[in-house]
Formats: sequence, structure tokens, C-alpha cells
Amino acid sequence: DTEVTQTPKHLVMGMTNKKSLKCEQHMGHRAMYWYKQKAKKPPELMFVYSYEKLSINESVPSRFSPECPNSSLLNLHLHALQPEDSALYLCASSHSSGEGTDTQYFGPGTRLTVL
Amino acid sequence: TQLLEQSPQFLSIQEGENLTVYCNSSSVFSSLQWYRQEPGEGPVLLVTVVTGGEVKKLKRLTFQFGDARKDSSLHITAAQPGDTGLYLCAVRYGNKLVFGAGTILRVKS
Repeated sequence: DTEVTQTPKHLVMGMTNKKSLKCEQHMGHRAMYWYKQKAKKPPELMFVYSYEKLSINESVPSRFSPECPNSSLLNLHLHALQPEDSALYLCASSHSSGEGTDTQYFGPGTRLTVL
Repeated sequence: TQLLEQSPQFLSIQEGENLTVYCNSSSVFSSLQWYRQEPGEGPVLLVTVVTGGEVKKLKRLTFQFGDARKDSSLHITAAQPGDTGLYLCAVRYGNKLVFGAGTILRVKS
């Protein structure tokens, strides 16, 4: 099983709402990632979790709050978002987060629209 | 400046034509990856190249890693509408995966 699943597939929220994105993998990977992708642009790294600990935060605004409850799950909690935060949010996982040819497996993404 | 310069940005061709996408850098990398992303999906790894001068083939796709391990190319022979998508090169930079700007390919039937 080389699948990363993400829910929901689509999400529309107002600027005052609180919502969460969920990601799950059962490949035994110990590194998990959140990316943000705008239309026709490459994915931009937001957060990296390694062995359930936050190892990289790419200066992401605090209205995005990641959480890694266990080695298979990764959440992204959203609060007080802005319309410019509308994007495709991708989750990925890999065996580890070290250098080398470690492959990242991406989920299908959550298409987020902030009104 | 971007770590990886990818060209062209957009490519619209007819079915059956050949094309090449380039990924260039002034830095040397131990490996480089190519991904394809279809609309509404996440990127999917196509290949990893690790040796300078290496050529890998995946059906109609040919990937080449430059001798100096600073650049790479993706060549598609006889493109088909199913090849349509966003093609991304990527490298490990520290413990991050850094992508090129991407090439949007549209193959018309």
C-alpha cells in the first residue's frame, strides 16, 4: 500500500471558521509533510514532521497549526484564514526526512477555498 | 534566484510530436527527481537520477542527468493526450524537497 489519503477533498470556509485537514498513511513512514500549492505553481513546503516531532516550519502564519497525533496521522488546523490562503493543500510522507533519494509519496490534496 | 530553473513554462503540442523539458541549476546535486501532476491529484514520482550522465527510460519518456549533476532533461517521444499535466523537477536541499517552477504540458488530439 503506497497510498496517502487526505480528507476532505474539497473545503469551503469563511474567514471566521475553524476547520481541519486530515492526512493518513500506513506505509510505516516516519516523515510527513504539508505543502501549499497555488494554481499552475509548484508545491511550497509548509511543515515537516519527523518521528512525530515538528522539524521544519517554513515561517508559516500561526493561523495554520499542524498536529501529528501518531506516526500515521497528520492534521492541519485552520483558523481565521484569508482569501489568499485558498489553494491545494498537499500531504506527503517518506521513509525518513534525511538527505538522499528518499521518495515522497503525495496525497491527492484538499482544495481549499476561503470566502 | 530559484535553485532550479525549469523550461519551458508552458508547452502545447499535437499528439505524436516530441518534446523536451529542461531543469537547470548552478548547484551540484547528489540526485534529482521528476514528478508528474495531473489536475486534481498530487505529484507522482516518475524517476530518480543519481549518476552524472545517467539516462533512464520509462516507456516513451527518457530522463537524462547531466555529467556535472547540475542539470537534467525529460524527453517525451510521440506525446499522447494522457501525457498532459504539470511536470516538476525536484532536488533534496538539506532535509527539504525543492521543486522547479514546473512545465505545464498540454497534448492535443
